[in-house]
Amino acid sequence: SQQGEEDPQALSIQEGENATMNCSYKTSINNLQWYRQNSGRGLVHLILIRSNEREKHSGRLRVTLDTSKKSSSLLITASRAADTASYFCATDYSSASKIIFGSGTRLSIRP
Amino acid sequence: SAVISQKPSRDICQRGTSLTIQCQVDSQVTMMFWYRQQPGQSLTLIATANQGSEATYESGFVIDKFPISRPNLTFSTLTVSNMSPEDSSIYLCSVEAPGDDQETQYFGPGTRLLVL
Repeated sequence: SQQGEEDPQALSIQEGENATMNCSYKTSINNLQWYRQNSGRGLVHLILIRSNEREKHSGRLRVTLDTSKKSSSLLITASRAADTASYFCATDYSSASKIIFGSGTRLSIRP
Repeated sequence: SAVISQKPSRDICQRGTSLTIQCQVDSQVTMMFWYRQQPGQSLTLIATANQGSEATYESGFVIDKFPISRPNLTFSTLTVSNMSPEDSSIYLCSVEAPGDDQETQYFGPGTRLLVL
């Protein structure tokens, strides 16, 4: 089944720096969503970008989508300790609203 | 958005037993899904819970192992049957948000299951 691949698998940066995570997928999509998960808890929805959109912003988050390359990136600016979490992309590729998750990036923010 | 609750939040079970997980949403939703997240892994879709009809299962998941009920538009249950240690995972329900938020999927807090 389709699954997005994310890189890097793990990222450790200094507080205040920017963090960039990338997601690649295999087939055409309706939209792509980014989620955050803290320590194996529930997922927090961050942002949704539709297939006809190229860039979206939400606070310190910037998401880009390149459908020709079947890839997306999530940029977190001015990182904080509270941003430490796993980040997942999820692609909606069907008419049945089913989404498929990427492998995830574990982000650690060093104080 | 949608507010989703799950019960239980966690459980420790003996192999061979079954556990039923409940998912409650604060508004009526059409689409409801169940996911599994094995330790250190990403999320895998188990099935779509259909109101008034049988659930639609993904490849690798079967009704006998994961029976699902969806009696109305705000509630669903997932049963993990005849459990083995390999079933130790976090189980999450999700819904497609109603209204202007449509297409966004929101997730419950998850049920952390450990099978001994």
